[in-house]
Amino acid sequence: DTGVSQNPRHKITKRGQNVTFRCDPISEHNRLYWYRQTLGQGPEFLTYFQNEAQLEKSRLLSDRFSAERPKGSFSTLEIQRTEQGDSAMYLCASSLALRTGGNEQFFGPGTRLTVL
Amino acid sequence: AQTVTQSQPEMSVQEAETVTLSCTYDTSESDYYLFWYKQPPSRQMILVIRQEAYKQQNATENRFSVNFQKAAKSFSLKISDSQLGDAAMYFCAYPTGTASKLTFGTGTRLQVTL
Repeated sequence: DTGVSQNPRHKITKRGQNVTFRCDPISEHNRLYWYRQTLGQGPEFLTYFQNEAQLEKSRLLSDRFSAERPKGSFSTLEIQRTEQGDSAMYLCASSLALRTGGNEQFFGPGTRLTVL
Repeated sequence: AQTVTQSQPEMSVQEAETVTLSCTYDTSESDYYLFWYKQPPSRQMILVIRQEAYKQQNATENRFSVNFQKAAKSFSLKISDSQLGDAAMYFCAYPTGTASKLTFGTGTRLQVTL
């Protein structure tokens, strides 16, 4: 399988619990992105890795959110003390850094989080 | 800040007909890219077409083409010979910064009817 995969696909949790999502990018891609998509909206950028380095974080990424990409391979996104407002689809995308701006980002199927 | 605006929340087209989805954007850059992404129901987002701003010629990919008006900051997507499989959310997107992070519009839901 050469696409971007994400696990789990669905997560239901109670407010205040911690959750962790995983993204496996396309193997040769050195860039990895996390986006959040709420109902009726386009995805919004959360954070970006080049290899193992987290180079940019959105102001949307509060202190309760943390992301890692150990060894520049898979990535995890953890949300601590979840709130109902965290309910959304969390999308992962990967790309190659071949040329500025024009590289296609390949998206995973997303993890849909529901916080009760 | 860069913004992307899609003013058509929903569009409908009959099979085999042509439909145009609108997108406007705001940028101060002179060279940039623009993308149209398709998000089918419960399936992952895929790139439909990309346009590089310095290229005068409008991009074309099979039944999909764009009308890029740089001065007007307009980037519309035309789908010819619409098929049932074209039914999806369509997002216009603009990459920014060294990260090339994407700024998306709010999307247009396209319905294709028989």
